[in-house]
Amino acid sequence: ETGVTQTPRHLVMGMTNKKSLKCEQHLGHNAMYWYKQSAKKPLELMFVYSLEERVENNSVPSRFSPECPNSSHLFLHLHTLQPEDSALYLCASSPDRGFYYGYTFGSGTRLTVV
Amino acid sequence: KQEVTQIPAALSVPEGENLVLNCSFTDSAIYNLQWFRQDPGKGLTSLLLIQSSQREQTSGRLNASLDKSSGRSTLYIAASQPGDSATYLCAVRPQGAQKLVFGQGTRLTINP
Repeated sequence: ETGVTQTPRHLVMGMTNKKSLKCEQHLGHNAMYWYKQSAKKPLELMFVYSLEERVENNSVPSRFSPECPNSSHLFLHLHTLQPEDSALYLCASSPDRGFYYGYTFGSGTRLTVV
Repeated sequence: KQEVTQIPAALSVPEGENLVLNCSFTDSAIYNLQWFRQDPGKGLTSLLLIQSSQREQTSGRLNASLDKSSGRSTLYIAASQPGDSATYLCAVRPQGAQKLVFGQGTRLTINP
């Protein structure tokens, strides 16, 4: 248990469905991140939230919509996804202003779009 | 743009061997470098974090070194065990950026 919890662990959804991924951290961190891991590609940063404010959106399609209601929770809302969006979605957190701290990752949500 | 490369992409060795995994990055302006382990279908577990001012970090049988000026890091695993089988990922935190840039990983298999 890393202190960053992601639910659900697995998700299968149709292209017309709407679903949400949830991430919760119990580390007192102020920054949270969504990363996407596709087969045979490096992890790709999707979104960064610092003190509940989105500070980076890495050219992610609008069918992915993040939400950070407080510094402990992060959501990724999904709608009208494509099969190529199937991947492992990883949430991470870090202390916000401490550039010398490492990142802590959750166990991920394996998403399959059918 | 910062790019991270890990060589080799895959490595298979017999149990008990000492081994070295390599990581290189193109821009030396980093805050730190972090090594992670990932088991199949699972999340990332942090192994070692090296600050830009440090040369190495050790944890048990693991030792990571950093040569920032040449853009290189190595992860040394001593007396390898089958339980060390996993994918090892290297990531740097560029200066001025609140994100990690990852390599593609080295898939390590330790044969009993």
